[in-house]
Amino acid sequence: EVQLLESGGALVQPGGSLRLSCAASGLIFTKHAMSWVRQAPGEGLEWVSGIGYSGSTTYYADSVKGRFTISRDSSSNTLYLQMTSLRADDTAVYYCAKDPGGGAFDIWGQGTVVTVSS
Amino acid sequence: DVVMTQSPLSLPVTLGQPASISCRSSQSLVFSDGNTYLNWFHQRPGQAPRRLIYKVSNRDSGVPDRFSGSGSGTVFTLQISRVEAEDVGVYYCTQGTHWPITFGQGTRLEIK
Repeated sequence: EVQLLESGGALVQPGGSLRLSCAASGLIFTKHAMSWVRQAPGEGLEWVSGIGYSGSTTYYADSVKGRFTISRDSSSNTLYLQMTSLRADDTAVYYCAKDPGGGAFDIWGQGTVVTVSS
Repeated sequence: DVVMTQSPLSLPVTLGQPASISCRSSQSLVFSDGNTYLNWFHQRPGQAPRRLIYKVSNRDSGVPDRFSGSGSGTVFTLQISRVEAEDVGVYYCTQGTHWPITFGQGTRLEIK
């Protein structure tokens, strides 16, 4: 069974940093592109960032460009999202998702909560 | 960015009755490879989203056949032939033809 398990969410002060992880199992990790999608409290879904299967191509939403960095480690089958200069509007549940292309996220993790507040 | 507009935003439905959700994009979603990357997701309260339909009309494994997707260009529809209690939650359309990937605002389906 394919599973994605996020971790690393926390309460952090504005301007702070946080690294999210997403551990993948049950799939050949190096064959799949991956994305992060977030959902602010009571709001809809927002695509945040994506990375190609090899890690050589990365994509970011304008709202996080220059502040967030996506990466992956094939040795541990883990996807990361390094978040810096965090703002209150980054508060959200962050999901990692397997990305077969075209926004058709077919496998989702359960999400990890990031709260940016003083 | 491509704007995805769903309607209605709230959809009260009687059990056993049909339901329909519209999704319109601000640009054509036909990609240069001929595919149309329009997908539908369902999110139950407190859960992660789940993909229902990809590339307009392809239903995912395990998704009941009462769900169907249709449309082309900029106008798309998700139909539920007979609503069941487990169908409550929020439905999102999303496009992956143009960067960045964008979602509709969501349509909340509730049982009357």
